[in-house]
Amino acid sequence: RKEVEQDPGPFNVPEGATVAFNCTYSNSASQSFFWYRQDCRKEPKLLMSVYSSGNEDGRFTAQLNRASQYISLLIRDSKLSDSATYLCVVGVYGGATNKLIFGTGTLLAVQP
Amino acid sequence: DGGITQSPKYLFRKEGQNVTLSCEQNLNHDAMYWYRQDPGQGLRLIYYSQIVNDFQKGDIAEGYSVSREKKESFPLTVTSAQKNPTAFYLCASRRSSLNEKLFFGSGTQLSVL
Repeated sequence: RKEVEQDPGPFNVPEGATVAFNCTYSNSASQSFFWYRQDCRKEPKLLMSVYSSGNEDGRFTAQLNRASQYISLLIRDSKLSDSATYLCVVGVYGGATNKLIFGTGTLLAVQP
Repeated sequence: DGGITQSPKYLFRKEGQNVTLSCEQNLNHDAMYWYRQDPGQGLRLIYYSQIVNDFQKGDIAEGYSVSREKKESFPLTVTSAQKNPTAFYLCASRRSSLNEKLFFGSGTQLSVL
């Protein structure tokens, strides 16, 4: 089983739609959580960190469920510019370990 | 401006050749990372370093080597033992504290001739 799993998509949605991505992680010792966005052949860029209480940034809302080891990202009122791959990232720390593990990404295509 | 610089942007390797990818950061970050990305795939961790003169293997370290002689620099060597080196390589750095985000370089595309 992969340490971080995501539905690869693609998710094809019309402009203005609401879309949700899910991510599960297997290591219960995971301590930090992020969503990154990656455009084709570019480096990933941080979209938002995910906090235990859930957090929102404009049209984007992230949720964390530690009991179920599950993270979600909700995008409201999708724009054409939201088309990209969304990567779920989990941080594992302890002793000599300090690494961030990426999911395989979910591809979003917003259609006009 | 502070940031991470990877070079070269494109690199070609011949059979049996070792090649080295450069990664330099001026963000004063302690931790540095190398990831490999194959088409349609996520990022897989090759090696990481939390402090100068120390580094740990990631999930796919075989066929790769690194060094961390200076805080600013974390070069990755793709050795001839890596039989399938064609991929997009990303270097990243961050402060070592929990919840600190990764800063990425712009990547190196390595191809085999």
